[in-house]
Amino acid sequence: DIQMTQSPSSLSASVGDRVTITCRASQDITNYLAWFQQKPGKAPKSLIYAASSLQSGVPSKFSGSGSGTDFTLTISSLQPEDFATYYCQQYYSYPPYTFGQGTKLEIK
Amino acid sequence: EVQLVESGGVVVQPGGSLRLSCAASGFTFDDYSMHWVRQAPGKGLEWVSLISWDGGTTYYTDSVKGRFTISRDNSKNSLYLQMNSLRTDDTALYYCAKDQSHRGNSYGDCWGQGTLVTVSS
Repeated sequence: DIQMTQSPSSLSASVGDRVTITCRASQDITNYLAWFQQKPGKAPKSLIYAASSLQSGVPSKFSGSGSGTDFTLTISSLQPEDFATYYCQQYYSYPPYTFGQGTKLEIK
Repeated sequence: EVQLVESGGVVVQPGGSLRLSCAASGFTFDDYSMHWVRQAPGKGLEWVSLISWDGGTTYYTDSVKGRFTISRDNSKNSLYLQMNSLRTDDTALYYCAKDQSHRGNSYGDCWGQGTLVTVSS
């Protein structure tokens, strides 16, 4: 199974900040990586697919990059609605599809 | 607009059985694979199962293999998860998700709100 490791597990930031979350795969997944946002009590929402493609309707403040084993999600100019938990998921090799453990983004 | 509505989650005793349903609308259901993903209380996301657009291929995570069965009825735009021999560690919010790829397998681009399964004596 491919293991996905996110860092950091939690992150404190202020409104207006730019933050970066990292996701590392245990083996090469080319660009078969998605990012999700989950707010408390809500279903996950797809943000990014194919490592760097923005899901329709997602604001351009979200961006993804990387290939192979190392990936990043960057959120620019944080707003209160961006504070949530973010997950990466690989869909290169399955079963199983695997998620990272999540990164909780909190207001400083 | 894509809508996915899960149902069937209840409190069940260890060893019991349950069938979850997911009613889909707003897209051509029989063109897309479908996923079940679960989230234990306070924990992260765990992929459970996938069924191909035509129902011909299914995949499971190891911990549910032999106990859970995914199925679909394309005439009813519905997805199901039959859960047998339930264990306490199956306690979770279960989401259904539509696959992004037309007649392929990739990631879930649209998710329902989930249905809660609690396995407890």
